[in-house]
Amino acid sequence: SQTIHQWPATLVQPVGSPLSLECTVEGTSNPNLYWYRQAAGRGLQLLFYSVGIGQISSEVPQNLSASRPQDRQFILSSKKLLLSDSGFYLCAWSKKPGRNEQFFGPGTRLTVL
Amino acid sequence: KQEVTQIPAALSVPEGENLVLNCSFTDSAIYNLQWFRQDPGKGLTSLLLIQSSQREQTSGRLNASLDKSSGRSTLYIAASQPGDSATYLCAVSGDYKLSFGAGTTVTVRA
Repeated sequence: SQTIHQWPATLVQPVGSPLSLECTVEGTSNPNLYWYRQAAGRGLQLLFYSVGIGQISSEVPQNLSASRPQDRQFILSSKKLLLSDSGFYLCAWSKKPGRNEQFFGPGTRLTVL
Repeated sequence: KQEVTQIPAALSVPEGENLVLNCSFTDSAIYNLQWFRQDPGKGLTSLLLIQSSQREQTSGRLNASLDKSSGRSTLYIAASQPGDSATYLCAVSGDYKLSFGAGTTVTVRA
């Protein structure tokens, strides 16, 4: 069976500090990978998706970036965090093509102070 | 741009009552629709996936219908239990991207 992991589970960071969130998927190969953000009072918003190693598409221009160094690893980064980056970050995967069912990880709660 | 709306935003029912959750979307050109459950502070658990060619999908006490032409889906939960208390989200797929509603928060009173 497939499993998706995210870490850390919670993170408190000062404004201007860097960020690195990691997501890994087990039990499948060549998945599509996604980063979503759920901000307080707002719905889930797709930030990035990837169809393969090194292939990243950005949905929303912002202070964040994503990378996919390995087939089942997806990383969300920032060089300098803003207060508005606070939120709940969720990683998801799906089989190809992208319109298949998406499965979500446990999420990372980020608070920027 | 796809807009997804869920009504009501919150719902409180006594145990044993059937739940009816509504989802509407503005663009009928979808590939599928997913219903998710989210417990406080947790990730999303996929409940049901309805392909655009299907009219309904069932899993245990859960039944979801889809009327693509009118842009509507309904999730029915039979004989609700306190453990069903959670936020329920619907999302429509426009290929790779899921567009989410804001969710319906359900409380089942014992």
